[in-house]
Amino acid sequence: GQQLNQSPQSMFIQEGEDVSMNCTSSSIFNTWLWYKQDPGEGPVLLIALYKAGELTSNGRLTAQFGITRKDSFLNISASIPSDVGIYFCAGRVPNYGQNFVFGPGTRLSVLP
Amino acid sequence: NAGVTQTPKFRVLKTGQSMTLLCAQDMNHEYMYWYRQDPGMGLRLIHYSVGEGTTAKGEVPDGYNVSRLKKQNFLLGLESAAPSQTSVYFCASSSPGSSSYEQYFGPGTRLTVT
Repeated sequence: GQQLNQSPQSMFIQEGEDVSMNCTSSSIFNTWLWYKQDPGEGPVLLIALYKAGELTSNGRLTAQFGITRKDSFLNISASIPSDVGIYFCAGRVPNYGQNFVFGPGTRLSVLP
Repeated sequence: NAGVTQTPKFRVLKTGQSMTLLCAQDMNHEYMYWYRQDPGMGLRLIHYSVGEGTTAKGEVPDGYNVSRLKKQNFLLGLESAAPSQTSVYFCASSSPGSSSYEQYFGPGTRLTVT
C-alpha cells in the first residue's frame, strides 16, 4: 500500500528557532494536509495543499506541495512553547476518493 | 457547533467482550471515517462511509464492523475484543466539495483490552 515517511521523527529546539520538517513518498499524491496533535486530543488541521508547487501560509506556519508531487514540507518560524506536539502529514492518493494516507508524525519539543 | 464528538472517551474491555463506539458530527458532512492510532504510527483507516447507509473497508478492517444509519452518526463495533485492538480510535468527517478534502477529527476514544 501507500506509505509516507516523515523526518525527523522527533526534534528538540529552542524557543524562537525556526523548524523544518518534511514528508516523502515513492507515490504521487493529489492533496497534502498537515495536522497538529496535542496530547490527548484529536489532530487539528493546519494547512491544506492542492497543487504541485503550491506554497501556503497560516500565521507562522508555511507549507509547500513538492513539485514532484511526492513530498511536502512544513516550516514553523519563531517557535513558541505551544508549538509542542506531533505534526502529521497526510496525502490523498489519486483515484482513491477522499481517503488519505497518514505519515507516522514528527514529535516537536520546544525548550524555553 | 460541536464539530465531531466521540463517546466514550475511555473504555477498558476484557478479551471477548463487545462494545460500540459512537461518532457524531454536526457539520452536515457526507463522508465519515474511523481510524486507529498506535504508538509511533500514523493513523490507519479502519472503515469509512461516503453517505448514509453506505460503508466500505479501509486499510485495517478485520475485527471491526460499522454502521451509518443516520448521516450525522457513524458507529464502530467490536464484536469480540482482542488485546491487539488496544488503541486510540479517532473518528473524522469531511465534505466532498470542490476544494474541501480536509478531514475534521474528534477527540478520540482510548480503548484498552485486557
